[in-house]
Amino acid sequence: SQQGEEDPQALSIQEGENATMNCSYKTSINNLQWYRQNSGRGLVHLILIRSNEREKHSGRLRVTLDTSKKSSSLLITASRAADTASYFCAPHSGTYKYIFGTGTRLKVLA
Amino acid sequence: ETGVTQTPRHLVMGMTNKKSLKCEQHLGHNAMYWYKQSAKKPLELMFVYSLEERVENNSVPSRFSPECPNSSHLFLHLHTLQPEDSALYLCASSLGGGLDNEQFFGPGTRLTVL
Repeated sequence: SQQGEEDPQALSIQEGENATMNCSYKTSINNLQWYRQNSGRGLVHLILIRSNEREKHSGRLRVTLDTSKKSSSLLITASRAADTASYFCAPHSGTYKYIFGTGTRLKVLA
Repeated sequence: ETGVTQTPRHLVMGMTNKKSLKCEQHLGHNAMYWYKQSAKKPLELMFVYSLEERVENNSVPSRFSPECPNSSHLFLHLHTLQPEDSALYLCASSLGGGLDNEQFFGPGTRLTVL
């Protein structure tokens, strides 16, 4: 099954710095979605990028997709303490299977 | 608030108990999902229902029994669980399974099996 693998597993930065997380997957996709999870809570959808798109922005979030390398990155600019969470990518093939990895745990220090 | 609610939020049960987890979505979605999240493991997709029909069943032990009486409600019935079943159980919904559909998650039920 199609599972996203996030890298790094954990990331610790100072408030105001940028955070970059990467995702790799194995087979062709229709889109790739990024989600955030605050500790012990449900996941929240952040952004979706389609397979024919290379870059997408939403507020302080910037997502890139390279289908030739089967990889995506999520950049959070000017990070805040409230961005502390786990971030998951979900490569999506247009079926009911949304397969998540173990996520990147981001800690933003005030 | 995501429009997906789960009850109870916390549950402690013995291995011989029978309990149920409930999920309700107020979004008019057609698909509902159960996930299991254990520490340091990927989210495990357990079951998927579309229009009240089960479309995915990922080799989940029979001590977990899902029920979807209508497109707004999803249950997970639990019986004779094991301590390794302790985890955060997440419910999600989506408009369908097609392109560009995002998932909306509930807050989860933290289950502890003694």
